[in-house]
This record gives sequence, C-alpha cells and structure tokens, in this order.
Amino acid sequence: GQNIDQPTEMTATEGAIVQINCTYQTSGFNGLFWYQQHAGEAPTFLSYNVLDGLEEKGRFSSFLSRSKGYSYLLLKELQMKDSASYLCAVREGDYKLSFGAGTTVTVRA
Amino acid sequence: EAGVVQSPRYKIIEKKQPVAFWCNPISGHNTLYWYRQNLGQGPELLIRYENEEAVDDSQLPKDRFSAERLKGVDSTLKIQPAELGDSAVYLCASSFLAGGRLTDTQYFGPGTRLTVL
Repeated sequence: GQNIDQPTEMTATEGAIVQINCTYQTSGFNGLFWYQQHAGEAPTFLSYNVLDGLEEKGRFSSFLSRSKGYSYLLLKELQMKDSASYLCAVREGDYKLSFGAGTTVTVRA
Repeated sequence: EAGVVQSPRYKIIEKKQPVAFWCNPISGHNTLYWYRQNLGQGPELLIRYENEEAVDDSQLPKDRFSAERLKGVDSTLKIQPAELGDSAVYLCASSFLAGGRLTDTQYFGPGTRLTVL
C-alpha cells in the first residue's frame, strides 16, 4: 500500500502561480499522475511523470523526484476556471492507481 | 470522441434496497475500472476488468457488491442490499491494454452519486 499526502486546500489570486505538493510512500512505484476534478464531474487527466524531472504542458507543469517520494503540480497564470480539486495518484505495478484525498484550489478575482 | 458514459448520474434509495450502475467505456478500450469516491477523498479501486474478465476484485466487498462486464464492453455494478455507508460517488474509468502493457492514462466517467437514506 501507499501513503499519499497533499494539502487539503489552497487559495490564490487570478493570474498568480500555485504549487501543489504531493508526497508518497510506496513499493513498486510505476508513475505518478495528476488529475483535475471539478465539483460533480469526472477526474480529467492533467499530467504523468515516471522519470525524475519536470514535465511542462501549457500553463501546467509537474515535477517528480523518485528518491524523495515527492511531486508537485504547478499552475501558472491562474484562471477562475482552474478552481477545482487536484488529485495526486501513484501507480503501483502495472495498473493500480492510489489517489490522495485531493487539494481544493480556489482562485479569487 | 465520446468519453466514458455512466448512468444514472444520481440515485437516491432507502437502505436495504438494491441499486445498479451502468458504464459504457471509451470505444476500443478493453480495460475497465470501477472506483468509489467518498466525500473529500480520492477514488478507491473496487474492481478491474480486462475484456470480460475481472482480473482484480480484491477490494470489492463481495457480500453485497457484484459486477459484470458481459461481452467485454459495457459494465454494471450492483449493490444488494445497500447500506448507509455506501453513499458515495461511483466512478467508472477505462484504458487500453496493448501488447501486455497498459497505456498511461485511465479516463474517467462523470460518476453516479448514490445517496442511501
């Protein structure tokens, strides 16, 4: 099994940058995913890291350090529509995803 | 391309009643997952299918939960009888297994929000 920790809530201003940290303890690590979930909707895929380093995709970037059991999701140029829950998920083995409880990000004007 | 489809979106039942949820995965996806998401928590895997075979049902409470995926496409998850603690969102996800390796991403449906009174 694994322990996945991420902050419960974060608040930021429109146009700003927010960094959501995720720490994990697991055996058989095989990748880390970030999903975005708006209230009442499906989790949607944002990013995937399996090797150390930074993956950039538009306004969103994700970083992984396997030796530290640490990842972060960086949201730049925040927009109101970015208000959502962000889920960190660790894949163990071929397919088993274990999710953190999610970080609720609130973007204020 | 259509995403994962689930129905109903909402269901309210009294305890001890049966309930069923339906999922239609993304076309061509041969791997299907059922998750349960409690309020304020991340999704937790209940069962995984490869085609019509349940290859991991270790987290499914088999005394009251059952699932099937006839013909390896649509799937149904059933609870009988429902208990108060079953109130949650039930999410279906799908992915494509090729050459013995999974692609990286599971795609989720919008879920069915179950309330047991």
